[in-house]
Amino acid sequence: GAGVSQSPSNKVTEKGKDVELRCDPISGHTALYWYRQSLGQGLEFLIYFQGNSAPDKSGLPSDRFSAERTGGSVSTLTIQRTQQEDSAVYLCASSFSGGPTGELFFGEGSRLTVL
Amino acid sequence: KNQVEQSPQSLIILEGKNCTLQCNYTVSPFSNLRWYKQDTGRGPVSLTIMTFSENTKSNGRYTATLDADTKQSSLHITASQLSDSASYICVVSGSGGSYIPTFGRGTSLIVHP
Repeated sequence: GAGVSQSPSNKVTEKGKDVELRCDPISGHTALYWYRQSLGQGLEFLIYFQGNSAPDKSGLPSDRFSAERTGGSVSTLTIQRTQQEDSAVYLCASSFSGGPTGELFFGEGSRLTVL
Repeated sequence: KNQVEQSPQSLIILEGKNCTLQCNYTVSPFSNLRWYKQDTGRGPVSLTIMTFSENTKSNGRYTATLDADTKQSSLHITASQLSDSASYICVVSGSGGSYIPTFGRGTSLIVHP
């Protein structure tokens, strides 16, 4: 597609439920990043993919968070047993090569609300 | 530890006025610095990229400067417009092997008519 696509755009769930957030990067982009942005806060790095492998997952806040990427394209971020503090906007970005000069192209984000 | 500090945290100006946003960083070794604009409810969009050898770069009414010696950058907005209301994020990438850029917390700019 023309840009990074994320779904759902909004998700409301009950505490304890599992959620899956999807990211479809720009075609041909090998690098993919997940970030979390709480209300009024900066972007918090979660995980980085180069192709299908995740050389840096240091930002995942707990073992309830996991992510995978298949076919070097679509990525899914899964949050198990959601907690209220997981409420945030989850942003996905892709980059052509993942090198230090690569521009990150962001999706519109998935807004997660945990009741 | 790599850090990016931005100031001010928030800024309110009148339409037509100029403003300057600041960014200080400790990322080393340095590769490049980008300024992103994030409109409310949208993802960030890159405005400019500055590499080590560049001092000034313009993109329309936006002018970014870089002083690699003092590790400071600024983003100057000329003749502000209502559409400039957004968060401006300074992002610094290192060349030391990690391809994870370091994000500042952003400056929230509000332009009033």
